[in-house]
Formats: sequence, C-alpha cells, structure tokens
Amino acid sequence: RKEVEQDPGPFNVPEGATVAFNCTYSNSASQSFFWYRQDCRKEPKLLMSVYSSGNEDGRFTAQLNRASQYISLLIRDSKLSDSATYLCVAASGGYNKLIFGAGTRLAVHP
Amino acid sequence: AAGVIQSPRHLIKEKRETATLKCYPIPRHDTVYWYQQGPGQDPQFLISFYEKMQSDKGSIPDRFSAQQFSDYHSELNMSSLELGDSALYFCASSSPGRWGSEQETQYFGPGTRLLVL
Repeated sequence: RKEVEQDPGPFNVPEGATVAFNCTYSNSASQSFFWYRQDCRKEPKLLMSVYSSGNEDGRFTAQLNRASQYISLLIRDSKLSDSATYLCVAASGGYNKLIFGAGTRLAVHP
Repeated sequence: AAGVIQSPRHLIKEKRETATLKCYPIPRHDTVYWYQQGPGQDPQFLISFYEKMQSDKGSIPDRFSAQQFSDYHSELNMSSLELGDSALYFCASSSPGRWGSEQETQYFGPGTRLLVL
C-alpha cells in the first residue's frame, strides 16, 4: 500500500465545472502537505501548500483533516489549461523528503 | 526568477555504462533533493543533501552515488546502468527555514531524461 493514496482518475469534466480530488496519507508523522501539478513529461510544479486547516488560492481550495489523514483539492470554474496530473504530496522528517501519490489525471474539455 | 537548472536535459547510454547528472539549485537554496520518475510512475525520492552533507536517503541503488559541492550544486553518478534505470531524474531545491514554513517548499528542475539501451 502506498503511503499517499489518491484516485488516479481520469476525471473528464467540461469547462466551468467544479471538480474535487481526494487524497489520504498513512504516515501520521507527516507534517506538511502539498498539491503539485505535473504536465506530460514536465517537472512537478507547486500548486498549493496545505497547512493546518487548509487554504484557498483563487479558484483552488485545499483542505487538510489531520484526524482523518485526508487532504482534498477543489478546483472551481475549470479551464482547459487545468488539464494535467495533480499530485498529492506529503512531507515528513527533518529534511522533508516528499512522498508522492500516484497522481490524479484531469482532462477539461470544451 | 532563477529556477533549478539540470544538465543534460537528455541522455542516451548503453547498459553497463556510467552517467553523471548535474543540478544547480536556485540561488541561496542550500538543500538539494534527487527524485526518479519511471514511465507512468510517480516521483520516488532518491537522496538529499543539506549544506553539502547527505541528509536523507531513499530508494537509491548502491550503483548510484551523489554529492553536493561547495557551491551547492549536486551531481548524481550512476554506474553499471541497467535498462530499468531509464527514467526522468528530477532535482529539487529548497531554502533554509523553520520547519513547516514557506521556505521548505521544494522547487523542481526540468529533469534529465535518461534512456538506457
């Protein structure tokens, strides 16, 4: 079982839709959480950090529930350019190596 | 803004050859991480360095070694290459900061695509 689990998708949604991704982590020692976005054959790019009770950045909202070891990402008003793989990531330890989920693929269509 | 630089961007080697991948972190970042991403896989942590000392080790084969130099750039040395080493190798860097702070965020380079034939 992977330390970070997420639904691989794909999620196929029309432009303007709201889509939610879920993620669970098994290591209760994990301290920080992130959502990274990865386009095909490119490097992961930080989308959002998720601390404490979560945060919002424009159309994106991330939530963290430490008791349930659950993280979510909500994307509102989806754009074609949101099409990518979204990686749920946990960090733990003094030098915070990142543990990645397998990624959730999102395809936004016209 | 300056980003993480990796070289080469693409590399083709034959089995049993050696390869050296280089990473230049964002200026003033003192921590470097190496990740391997196989085809259709998520990135897997290999090794990290903080202030030129190895700080953590993941699933890095014994055939691989790495180091961080005085200018904070890092090199990943891979010997006796195998077909299964074909992957994207990412380097990431982060700046010094208190645990849980914005500074711990890792920024990834564009990766080196290694193909072993």
